[in-house]
Parts: sequence; C-alpha cells; structure tokens
Amino acid sequence: GQSLEQPSEVTAVEGAIVQINCTYQTSGFYGLSWYQQHDGGAPTFLSYNALDGLEETGRFSSFLSRSDSYGYLLLQELQMKDSASYFCAVSRTKAAGNKLTFGGGTRVLVKP
Amino acid sequence: GAVVSQHPSWVICKSGTSVKIECRSLDFQATTMFWYRQFPKQSLMLMATSNEGSKATYEQGVEKDKFLINHASLTLSTLTVTSAHPEDSSFYICSVPGGIYEQYFGPGTRLTVT
Repeated sequence: GQSLEQPSEVTAVEGAIVQINCTYQTSGFYGLSWYQQHDGGAPTFLSYNALDGLEETGRFSSFLSRSDSYGYLLLQELQMKDSASYFCAVSRTKAAGNKLTFGGGTRVLVKP
Repeated sequence: GAVVSQHPSWVICKSGTSVKIECRSLDFQATTMFWYRQFPKQSLMLMATSNEGSKATYEQGVEKDKFLINHASLTLSTLTVTSAHPEDSSFYICSVPGGIYEQYFGPGTRLTVT
C-alpha cells in the first residue's frame, strides 16, 4: 500500500521556525509536494520537489531526500495566518495524470 | 493557476435522496479532474478520476454505483451521491491538474445527510 507519515500537530509562537517532516512509502515516486489548507477552505499548492535538495519559496522551503524517502516543509518567521493544516503528497508517476496520494496532514497552531 | 468552482458550497439532504455536486474549471480546459472526500480533521482521500469522454476511474473501495461521476465537458465534472446516508456526510473537493505535480482545488462542498 501507499503511506505518508506526518506529525499530527505542531504548536509554535509567532516569529518561530517550524519543520514538518514527511516520510513516505509508495509504489513509485515522481515527486513530493506540499499543500496548505485553512479550516473550511481549499488546499493550496505551496511547493514541490522532484530532485534531492532544498527548494526555497519566500518564507517556506521544502526539502527532499529520495534515498531516505523523506522530505520536510520549513516554515520560517511564523505568522498567525500560517495557522493551518499542511499536507505532503506524492506523485507516483509522471503518467498518472499527476494523481496525488496525501499524507494525514499536520495542524500548525501559531500562538502570539 | 486555474480557477475552480464548486456548486453548491453546502447542501443538506435527507437520507435516501441523491445529491449532485458540480465542479467547474473556469479558465482552463481539463480532460481530467479529481474528486476527493475529506472527513473533519483528516486527510484528503482520492475517490475517483473524472475523464472527459470516457468513464471515470474509481479508487479501491469506492462504490462506483453510489458515487456517479460524469465529465460532461472540458470544463465541467459532476459527482452525484446516490441514496445518500448519514455516513456520506463529508467535505467533497474537486481538483484540476495544472501540471505534473500541481493541482488546483475547488472550494469544496459540505454535504450533510440527515
């Protein structure tokens, strides 16, 4: 089967740095992406890694190690609006119409 | 990115009735759309892949006769929950692929079956 493991919840204060880890076990791997979802809202795309290394997009960075089947999302300079759920997702093949398998999600709570 | 709409945004129906949910890609032609279900504080579970011009592809464990999908055009896919029961109450979200790794999600439809 396919499995993606993430911590269920993380709490941090404004201005802090949070790292959300994701380990995956899937039959086939093409890339790892990250999505943010506020309560009651739609998931929105944050970042994607197909190759090993760090991708930086403003305050958010994402890392991938294919040999370790592991990635993480780094949230820097946390703001209250970053309180949301964050999901890692695996694209298993290029040809699968980019069908995604999602992790269980990590709820991030930012406190003042 | 693509703008995706869903209608209705929420619906309450009685047990045993059917409910149709629409997903529209407003500025992007989509030969493929995805339907997900999400229970409170849980992950997105892919239900099926909607294919324009052909039958939908359902994930293992999803009843195709209960969740009817019709990809009517390059901008519209519909999900009909037939003979709905309280356990079908959930948040249903569609998405449009925007490339190999990115998907654009609709705002979701909250279904409550009483």
